[in-house]
Amino acid sequence: KNEVEQSPQNLTAQEGEFITINCSYSVGISALHWLQQHPGGGIVSLFMLSSGKKKHGRLIATINIQEKHSSLHITASHPRDSAVYICAVDTDKLIFGTGTRLQVFP
Amino acid sequence: DVKVTQSSRYLVKRTGEKVFLECVQDMDHENMFWYRQDPGLGLRLIYFSYDVKMKEKGDIPEGYSVSREKKERFSLILESASTNQTSMYLCASSLAGGDNEQFFGPGTRLTVL
Repeated sequence: KNEVEQSPQNLTAQEGEFITINCSYSVGISALHWLQQHPGGGIVSLFMLSSGKKKHGRLIATINIQEKHSSLHITASHPRDSAVYICAVDTDKLIFGTGTRLQVFP
Repeated sequence: DVKVTQSSRYLVKRTGEKVFLECVQDMDHENMFWYRQDPGLGLRLIYFSYDVKMKEKGDIPEGYSVSREKKERFSLILESASTNQTSMYLCASSLAGGDNEQFFGPGTRLTVL
């Protein structure tokens, strides 16, 4: 079993829909990262959090340390949000989930 | 802005060739990392470095070596490329210590024929 599990693996949505991507982990962590990877490969960091909730524009990330679970929400989704979203947990190194491929159609 | 650059976006090599992948960062970061990314497996750590001339094996170091002669540059070396090393290779850097954001390069898609 992977130490970091993401769901769903693939997600399609219509523009404007509310999106939720989930991440569960089985190890002790000091922080959790949400990353975005667009076609072509470049990865950018969206959030790093160790408790509670963070918001940036239409993106919201939450983490529940006791349940070892995090969610990434996208409100009012747009086609430009189409990307792979990757959850990674910080132990003594980063352990990555396999990603959620999101496609948002107009 | 932090900038991490990689020497090539696409590379095609033949089995047995020696391959050098170069990574340069311009923000004086102490930590540098090399990952490979394969479908269904996510990113896996090959090697990392916390300082000049220092290197540590990651989860999948077999078939690879690294060099860090200068703080800003971290090189990944495939001594004798094999077809199972066909992959996307991503370099990253971060400040010293844990819990720091990693900044990623654009990736090099390597094909070994």
